[in-house]
Amino acid sequence: GAVVSQHPSRVICKSGTSVKIECRSLDFQATTMFWYRQFPKQSLMLMATSNEGSKATYEQGVEKDKFLINHASLTLSTLTVTSAHPEDSSFYICSANRLTEAFFGQGTRLTVV
Amino acid sequence: SQQGEEDPQALSIQEGENATMNCSYKTSINNLQWYRQNSGRGLVHLILIRSNEREKHSGRLRVTLDTSKKSSSLLITASRAADTASYFCATDNAGNMLTFGGGTRLMVKP
Repeated sequence: GAVVSQHPSRVICKSGTSVKIECRSLDFQATTMFWYRQFPKQSLMLMATSNEGSKATYEQGVEKDKFLINHASLTLSTLTVTSAHPEDSSFYICSANRLTEAFFGQGTRLTVV
Repeated sequence: SQQGEEDPQALSIQEGENATMNCSYKTSINNLQWYRQNSGRGLVHLILIRSNEREKHSGRLRVTLDTSKKSSSLLITASRAADTASYFCATDNAGNMLTFGGGTRLMVKP
């Protein structure tokens, strides 16, 4: 089946630094990828839709200057958490669709200390 | 935005029993998908049911969809301890963007 690879799986960073998370579709092209965030014991919440070659579309309440998304190719989208703070600690997951089925990355556990 | 609601939020059963989880949604959909998530891991796709389908089976999983009631159910038969996880429904409307429900945390006791 289609595979979406997300890297890194875990990252610990200091407050004020930036962290980049990569999402790759390994065996299909994805013009659109989605970034989700999950707080403990809660459902995934869509943060933004990453569009290849154009600006990302952010959900209400998500700061676009804080969560920078770049979708430079048909197989790669990156999410950069800028000036991270402890409240940004969360589980971030990307997904990409092939036809009608969504494939998810393994997720990134971000801890900001 | 999140449109799905799942119940129960948490379910604890004994091994061998059946587990039923329900999902309701608000808008029209192309399909509805069920995902499983082990703690701290990415979602794993379980089953997809299209809006013109009413029931679908996959191994010990049975999914039903009632578009008139805007609801779906996931039944896991003969549960095992390894089924312990969170289960999410997700609706796919226009644009292939998934909208997730709140999830059901299933605990299967050995």
